[in-house]
Amino acid sequence: GNSVTQMEGPVTLSEEAFLTINCTYTATGYPSLFWYVQYPGEGLQLLLKATKADDKGSNKGFEATYRKETTSFHLEKGSVQVSDSAVYFCALFTDSWGKLQFGAGTQVVVTP
Amino acid sequence: NAGVTQTPKFQVLKTGQSMTLQCAQDMNHEYMSWYRQDPGMGLRLIHYSVGAGITDQGEVPNGYNVSRSTTEDFPLRLLSAAPSQTSVYFCASSYSGGGGGTEAFFGQGTRLTVV
Repeated sequence: GNSVTQMEGPVTLSEEAFLTINCTYTATGYPSLFWYVQYPGEGLQLLLKATKADDKGSNKGFEATYRKETTSFHLEKGSVQVSDSAVYFCALFTDSWGKLQFGAGTQVVVTP
Repeated sequence: NAGVTQTPKFQVLKTGQSMTLQCAQDMNHEYMSWYRQDPGMGLRLIHYSVGAGITDQGEVPNGYNVSRSTTEDFPLRLLSAAPSQTSVYFCASSYSGGGGGTEAFFGQGTRLTVV
């Protein structure tokens, strides 16, 4: 079946460090891929998305490229801030009915 | 600019009690779904709906019921609460884009504790 695997956390970084969160997936067909972010005590917000192979999603300095050959959608940011401390979820749409398949989430802690 | 609204935000239940978690969206989205979030497990789909009057089970449906009488509302009912249902519950809505579903919008969540 469909699944999403992302690196375990927590990931602890210093401010201005480079962040990478790995995400790989297993799916039939051509899923759309997403990164959602959850700040403490809040719901999930869409961070970025990509709907086809080689698409690059970007937002707030974060980027991820849809790599069909490696079935990956790794999230990167060149210089993190304390305000980026959150839980990040990789997800894909499994079919046409708006159902998302999530990874387990990666907590990121950025220290000053 | 409400988006997806969930109520209540917090709830404590005793084992065996029943309750309904409310979810409403004002974006006229066809698709709505309920997820539960547990540590280390991400979000898992409980039930979903593709339109008024149409619902189906997700990955973890046992102990929950849903109905969708209107486009806007998608309540989740716990029939007889159990401690294993202690979790954070999220409602989401989305629309059908070209080639299928696209972005999902989430409510703020309901933190449920069953004692």
